[in-house]
Amino acid sequence: GAGVSQSPSNKVTEKGKDVELRCDPISGHTALYWYRQSLGQGLEFLIYFQGNSAPDKSGLPSDRFSAERTGGSVSTLTIQRTQQEDSAVYLCASSLGAADLYGYTFGSGTRLTVV
Amino acid sequence: GNSVTQMEGPVTLSEEAFLTINCTYTATGYPSLFWYVQYPGEGLQLLLKATKADDKGSNKGFEATYRKETTSFHLEKGSVQVSDSAVYFCALPVRVDTGRRALTFGSGTRLQVQP
Repeated sequence: GAGVSQSPSNKVTEKGKDVELRCDPISGHTALYWYRQSLGQGLEFLIYFQGNSAPDKSGLPSDRFSAERTGGSVSTLTIQRTQQEDSAVYLCASSLGAADLYGYTFGSGTRLTVV
Repeated sequence: GNSVTQMEGPVTLSEEAFLTINCTYTATGYPSLFWYVQYPGEGLQLLLKATKADDKGSNKGFEATYRKETTSFHLEKGSVQVSDSAVYFCALPVRVDTGRRALTFGSGTRLQVQP
């Protein structure tokens, strides 16, 4: 597509429920990243997919968080048993290649509210 | 590891004023440096970048010079407009667990331009 597409744009869920957030990167971009932006905070790195390699999960805050990327394209971030501290904007970004050369293109984010 | 530090906001200016947003970095070697901008309700957009020491990145009237002597990458604009009101993030690559690189971001500086 023309840009990075994320859905839904807003999600309100009850504490303890599972949620799935979707990211559709720019066609041809081999790298895909998930970040979390909490209110008034900077961006927190969560996970990184590069092509068909095993993902880098070093930023995931707990084992309730997981992500997959199917066919090297669309990615889904899943949060199980959501907690109120999970409320944040979840941003997806993709990159044509190495982040230090190309930088990222970001989606508009999914605003998650856990009540 | 690599990191960036930005000046705290908000920065409030009148239209046509001169803007400086400070960013200093700590890094091994001379990685690429980036400025991203986040307009209200939108995802982050790449504003400019510099890939080596002494480079100047520029876009939309904004400039930043990669200064290795002072380990800085300050963002400047000679005459701001109301439409420049946004949050600005400085960023650079960091090595994640798998040895590959993702971007780490500063905490962001909110700019408010008044007519």
